[in-house]
Amino acid sequence: GAVVSQHPSWVICKSGTSVKIECRSLDFQATTMFWYRQFPKQSLMLMATSNEGSKATYEQGVEKDKFLINHASLTLSTLTVTSAHPEDSSFYICSARRRDRSYEQYFGPGTRLTVT
Amino acid sequence: QQQVKQSPQSLIVQKGGISIINCAYENTAFDYFPWYQQFPGKGPALLIAIRPDVSEKKEGRFTISFNKSAKQFSLHIMDSQPGDSATYFCAASMDSGNTPLVFGKGTRLSVIA
Repeated sequence: GAVVSQHPSWVICKSGTSVKIECRSLDFQATTMFWYRQFPKQSLMLMATSNEGSKATYEQGVEKDKFLINHASLTLSTLTVTSAHPEDSSFYICSARRRDRSYEQYFGPGTRLTVT
Repeated sequence: QQQVKQSPQSLIVQKGGISIINCAYENTAFDYFPWYQQFPGKGPALLIAIRPDVSEKKEGRFTISFNKSAKQFSLHIMDSQPGDSATYFCAASMDSGNTPLVFGKGTRLSVIA
């Protein structure tokens, strides 16, 4: 149990285009989902926290107009990178906190974004 | 206050040996301490976690030791295997996990035969 999926697993896009990444909790309901960014050989950097049905809370320095987050249901959150640029190339990982065991957080497999 | 300091940055252990990774925190409001294992190109996987009301938790070959007074916790991997080679992150959270996790910088473990 406690499986989180992400789609796509990798994506290459051209500079200036937008990319949407989906995060789904497959076998549990998630009250909260988190989006992280991870650079090679570095730790996870929290970008935003999203609760179902409400606006996401962004960390300092993260542009909310560039990284659009929608938490449409208790099992789905999406991250849209708008007008992507090469510096947005990174490994994006979502995580979901279980509704029934709120302290446990499970991560998706990540999405490798490359902007050319 | 929000930081979790993790050491060592990298670790090489012989197969069958014990791997020990340490973390320290400052914020006494932290009350949930998980460890995650991450393989290259994959998302972190929850390995084991502890709450401050116990000093030790063991699951298979993995043990967390927790020292509340010293504000330190550590991960011990017994009988380390090459398949354990990965990056390990400690983390901490407040309010019974209702706040975002604060991660350590990670430890790259290599288990050699």
